[in-house]
Amino acid sequence: ETGVTQSPTHLIKTRGQQVTLRCSSQSGHNTVSWYQQALGQGPQFIFQYYREEENGRGNFPPRFSGLQFPNYSSELNVNALELDDSALYLCASSLRDSMGEQYFGPGTRLTVT
Amino acid sequence: GDSVTQMEGPVTLSEEAFLTINCTYTATGYPSLFWYVQYPGEGLQLLLKATKADDKGSNKGFEATYRKETTSFHLEKGSVQVSDSAVYFCALRTQGGSEKLVFGKGTKLTVNP
Repeated sequence: ETGVTQSPTHLIKTRGQQVTLRCSSQSGHNTVSWYQQALGQGPQFIFQYYREEENGRGNFPPRFSGLQFPNYSSELNVNALELDDSALYLCASSLRDSMGEQYFGPGTRLTVT
Repeated sequence: GDSVTQMEGPVTLSEEAFLTINCTYTATGYPSLFWYVQYPGEGLQLLLKATKADDKGSNKGFEATYRKETTSFHLEKGSVQVSDSAVYFCALRTQGGSEKLVFGKGTKLTVNP
């Protein structure tokens, strides 16, 4: 079974730019969650997608948006990048109602300069 | 809102020492509880979980018991190895709505030979 994959591994952007991060779910999983992990902190929930619709959102501004595709892969888009957006972005897939067991990808390290 | 508090790190132990990492939580209802581990340069891996009071999760010699009366889920291992060096995150799954995870800040463990 294929695990969760994310691309790219690393990314450097300039303040004000836009970025798209990608995630492929583990086979058979229908739910994708995105988390932001700042250096030295625990992951913070951004949002979750189930059946191509947003199914919960954390305390992040609207410039953070996402998509889920019919094959359950997902994108995270961030507009108008700010320096504080520099972080590790983690994607996690799960099967809905799986008692919260989520499987994480290796993450995308975003640096905003 | 729901939250998780972990003991501050870093924790440095010698090989074969006993490990305890404290974790307490605040939540409405009865959340599921998890320990995740993050090795250097990698994403999060589920270490163990417990879904109801008095449940004991265990994996790879690690154990944690869901204590509702003290709202705690402390991680323990009787004899740590160098390969256990990593960052450990305690997390809860919120009830209702999305299956989001709320994480503690993480505890970095270093095991010396």
